[in-house]
Amino acid sequence: LAKTTQPISMDSYEGQEVNITCSHNNIATNDYITWYQQFPSQGPRFIIQGYKTKVTNEVASLFIPADRKSSTLSLPRVSLSDTAVYYCLVGVWVNQAGTALIFGKGTTLSVSS
Amino acid sequence: NAGVTQTPKFQVLKTGQSMTLQCAQDMNHNSMYWYRQDPGMGLRLIYYSASEGTTDKGEVPNGYNVSRLNKREFSLRLESAAPSQTSVYFCASRTRDSSYEQYFGPGTRLTVT
Repeated sequence: LAKTTQPISMDSYEGQEVNITCSHNNIATNDYITWYQQFPSQGPRFIIQGYKTKVTNEVASLFIPADRKSSTLSLPRVSLSDTAVYYCLVGVWVNQAGTALIFGKGTTLSVSS
Repeated sequence: NAGVTQTPKFQVLKTGQSMTLQCAQDMNHNSMYWYRQDPGMGLRLIYYSASEGTTDKGEVPNGYNVSRLNKREFSLRLESAAPSQTSVYFCASRTRDSSYEQYFGPGTRLTVT
């Protein structure tokens, strides 16, 4: 599975837009990019997944450039409750055998008032 | 619909003792996973099961065994616990489709003294 690199930590204030960039230079043709969020003492929670261009849901947007060697998770107008660790994962789906997601250390986002 | 459940929530073992961590999901998912998370670290994959009757090693399988008892249940066994296995253990499941959305349980906090 492709290795990902993301900042260890980021700080923001309430109401700001936060962009967390993840680099995955060795991404394979059929790899998808997935982001998870984890609060203290809880299991990770799926945020968004994409393959190329832009994906948006009710929580976040995911921007993927044409070369797919990086991706950016965008959180609009963050609040204190968005303080969490955010993981970027790249994994390929292998139809029969399935595949397993490998988590890195993630980015710790701290939102202040 | 309880999602992914794990038992116990907390456990303290002495070095050399054995125990089994239980995980069950009621979402009819094919794939199930066991991760461990050490303080300040990301999740590391221990074992996974792409479907009932199959299991595969992840990043850190040494010292663990797993059983996919049926489609719902996936257990993790520590045969001879060591202090290095002190961690929070998360179980997760995922349906067999093109999504990387994994559902995580609440975790088991294990301390080995």
